[in-house]
Amino acid sequence: GAVVSQHPSWVICKSGTSVKIECRSLDFQATTMFWYRQFPKQSLMLMATSNEGSKATYEQGVEKDKFLINHASLTLSTLTVTSAHPEDSSFYICSASSGWVGGGTEAFFGQGTRLTVV
Amino acid sequence: AQSVTQLGSHVSVSEGALVLLRCNYSSSVPPYLFWYVQYPNQGLQLLLKYTSAATLVKGINGFEAEFKKSETSFHPTKPSAHMSDAAEYFCAVSGRGQGAQKLVFGQGTRLTINP
Repeated sequence: GAVVSQHPSWVICKSGTSVKIECRSLDFQATTMFWYRQFPKQSLMLMATSNEGSKATYEQGVEKDKFLINHASLTLSTLTVTSAHPEDSSFYICSASSGWVGGGTEAFFGQGTRLTVV
Repeated sequence: AQSVTQLGSHVSVSEGALVLLRCNYSSSVPPYLFWYVQYPNQGLQLLLKYTSAATLVKGINGFEAEFKKSETSFHPTKPSAHMSDAAEYFCAVSGRGQGAQKLVFGQGTRLTINP
């Protein structure tokens, strides 16, 4: 299957600082990218969907100004957690698709980033 | 809106025994259904998917599942469990057609294999 690379795999930052997480599709053009948050022993919660060149669509309850998503190219999307606080500590996972999931196109997942805010 | 329910947050089987995971969906029209496997501190890997081409689908790692519209179910099975099957498994659903971009995930099932 196609490869989605997420970087970094883990990061520790101080409260009040910002952290950027990158998600790259290595061997295909990702027209759509998704960002999820996963709490320990829980399911994935979709945070936002981004289409290349367009503003991200955020899920209800997700703060747009806190979780900045940029999808500037067909192979790269970034999630920036601004002014991070301990409650933002979580496992963040990106996913990328070259077409519509509703058309049966597979979405491929990155390996995740564990963010710890101290 | 589509949703899925995974029955059993934790399944434990002996090595060599049958593995059965359970997922029921709720949707006004038959959706697309997916199962993903997640190993600790890793992303998700597609286990198998139903996209209407065939109701019986084969996936990776020896899993297969049958889409049953009458039961609104998509339950993967594996005849003989292996220690490497221990992981978290997620069922997911999406709608069909343009605009159906989202995957909605179930709560997850943790599979434990006993030696």
